[in-house]
Amino acid sequence: DGGITQSPKYLFRKEGQNVTLSCEQNLNHDAMYWYRQDPGQGLRLIYYSQIVNDFQKGDIAEGYSVSREKKESFPLTVTSAQKNPTAFYLCASHEPISGYTFGSGTRLTVV
Amino acid sequence: RKEVEQDPGPFNVPEGATVAFNCTYSNSASQSFFWYRQDCRKEPKLLMSVYSSGNEDGRFTAQLNRASQYISLLIRDSKLSDSATYLCVVENYGQNFVFGPGTRLSVLP
Repeated sequence: DGGITQSPKYLFRKEGQNVTLSCEQNLNHDAMYWYRQDPGQGLRLIYYSQIVNDFQKGDIAEGYSVSREKKESFPLTVTSAQKNPTAFYLCASHEPISGYTFGSGTRLTVV
Repeated sequence: RKEVEQDPGPFNVPEGATVAFNCTYSNSASQSFFWYRQDCRKEPKLLMSVYSSGNEDGRFTAQLNRASQYISLLIRDSKLSDSATYLCVVENYGQNFVFGPGTRLSVLP
């Protein structure tokens, strides 16, 4: 079955550490996105990529970085510059007919 | 004013009730509209697209009012399994999708 796989499901980060969240899709979608969701709030766009080797900042890109070296993969790195990284992170891909498909998310907690 | 606004709820309704949510958007050039459902601690999933003529899928009806810049979702004969957060999503031409904060629905036995 086609879909998006995010890993890990749960991630714990120490203060000052960089961590990378994985997102892989086999839907052959060009566009991929990273969102952050805080409790009781909507999704906020971190970064997006419309095509391989290109990506753009979203509304809350500070403290995050991404790469898009392959169509299938769009990893997100949460750097030590992100002061409040505890949140639910959702990766999505998009195709005009079917809309957004989301991964099952990664819960990041700073310990 | 936020680009997409929703009443956060919660809406607590008994089984079998009819419930309606509205979502307002500020960009008059917005082109496409969707309702997503998100269960607790899960990813959002597409519930239905919203077409200009309105559309119905079983117990769910979505409407678009461009003049007043809102979309609505009506759920008839509510089931316990309808309990979730309903996200309104707006696509602006040439831009990304904007998600509303969601409306929480609890269907009570």
